[in-house]
Amino acid sequence: SYELTQPPSVSVSPGQTARITCSGDALPKRYVYWYQQKSGQAPVLVIYEDNKRPSGIPERFSGSTSGTMGTLTVSGAQAEDEADYYCYSSDNTANHWVFGGGTKLTVL
Amino acid sequence: EVQLVESGGGLVQPGESLRLSCAASGLIFSHYWMSWVRQAPGKGLEWVANINQNGSEKYYVDSVKGRFTISRDNAKNSLYLQMNSLRVEDTAVYYCAGYGDLALDYWGQGTLVTAFS
Repeated sequence: SYELTQPPSVSVSPGQTARITCSGDALPKRYVYWYQQKSGQAPVLVIYEDNKRPSGIPERFSGSTSGTMGTLTVSGAQAEDEADYYCYSSDNTANHWVFGGGTKLTVL
Repeated sequence: EVQLVESGGGLVQPGESLRLSCAASGLIFSHYWMSWVRQAPGKGLEWVANINQNGSEKYYVDSVKGRFTISRDNAKNSLYLQMNSLRVEDTAVYYCAGYGDLALDYWGQGTLVTAFS
């Protein structure tokens, strides 16, 4: 079955840039989406279609892709950005979807 | 405002069945693909199943295929997940989610299913 691979954790100091990667064989042909989940809450979409930002999401969140890798960048990370982040995409059939294992972002 | 409200979670023994429901409001329910996503305690998100607008297309993660059935009733603005032959590893918070204009835009708050022996 298809898998997306993320690092378990990323740590940055406040104001630094955090980069969270997501690796998947189908990413050259499929969009990647990014979700933020804070403790005890439902996920929130922060990036869609590789690099688009929904309204209401701060500009410091951006997305990019290169080959089989998608990257979520948080420029000037703030304490409120501490959360789990998940990439989300489909396999080449577009019928089966998968989340990455999640990355815990720590800002301290 | 879009609202998705799940219900039907609870405590069951392995092998038993449970039916989850999701009541949708604030959107034209029949226009959207819908999904169930689960999250085991302390673990990550797992996509479980998708259903298209009229229910003619359904897709499942391999681990639930043949045991779970996703369905919808557009007249009642409701999504369902029939879970049979439950296993301990199905223990999770189950989220109802909707594919809006961007992605899985809409999420409920989840309902907890616990299968214990």
